[in-house]
Amino acid sequence: KAGVTQTPRYLIKTRGQQVTLSCSPISGHRSVSWYQQTPGQGLQFLFEYFSETQRNKGNFPGRFSGRQFSNSRSEMNVSTLELGDSALYLCASSDSGSSYNEQFFGPGTRLTVL
Amino acid sequence: DQQVKQNSPSLSVQEGRISILNCDYTNSMFDYFLWYKKYPAEGPTFLISISSIKDKNEDGRFTVFLNKSAKHLSLHIVPSQPGDSAVYFCAASGNNDMRFGAGTRLTVKP
Repeated sequence: KAGVTQTPRYLIKTRGQQVTLSCSPISGHRSVSWYQQTPGQGLQFLFEYFSETQRNKGNFPGRFSGRQFSNSRSEMNVSTLELGDSALYLCASSDSGSSYNEQFFGPGTRLTVL
Repeated sequence: DQQVKQNSPSLSVQEGRISILNCDYTNSMFDYFLWYKKYPAEGPTFLISISSIKDKNEDGRFTVFLNKSAKHLSLHIVPSQPGDSAVYFCAASGNNDMRFGAGTRLTVKP
């Protein structure tokens, strides 16, 4: 099976712009979670989608949003970008009914906000 | 709120010796714990996990120990190899929540 893929791998934006990141989970996986990784902060949970529904949400402002399509592919959108949004954004998929077991991560999208 | 803490940001060990990575958690609702390994420019990969009904789980050179009363888990790597050099994240899940620690960078010197 192909692994989790994320596009684009690198992105440079300026403050105030918006950005959309894409994630294709492993075939058959219905759960997709998004994380933000910054130095010293580890992986901060953004949200999780399961069968096109947001099942869980982390403590991020409303500028961060996401969605999942019927084929389980997911997108994450960040509006009105701020310098502090510069980070590695990871998505992870899971084949279990619970996303809180083993997850398979993509390589991430490195977002730089200037 | 850091519900999962990895207090050592880095660890350096000699090849062949034991590496011990530690993780503490505060939420008593967590009942499943995982370790992930991350190489640069790659996403984290699952390494090993343990359920709260166990206190030890072993997989080859990797062993995870769980001390529920202390809310502490550790990952032992024996013997350590240079290829083990990576960032290790612990994660805790339960009650519809999952939290990751900030990671520990392990360097194994030849």
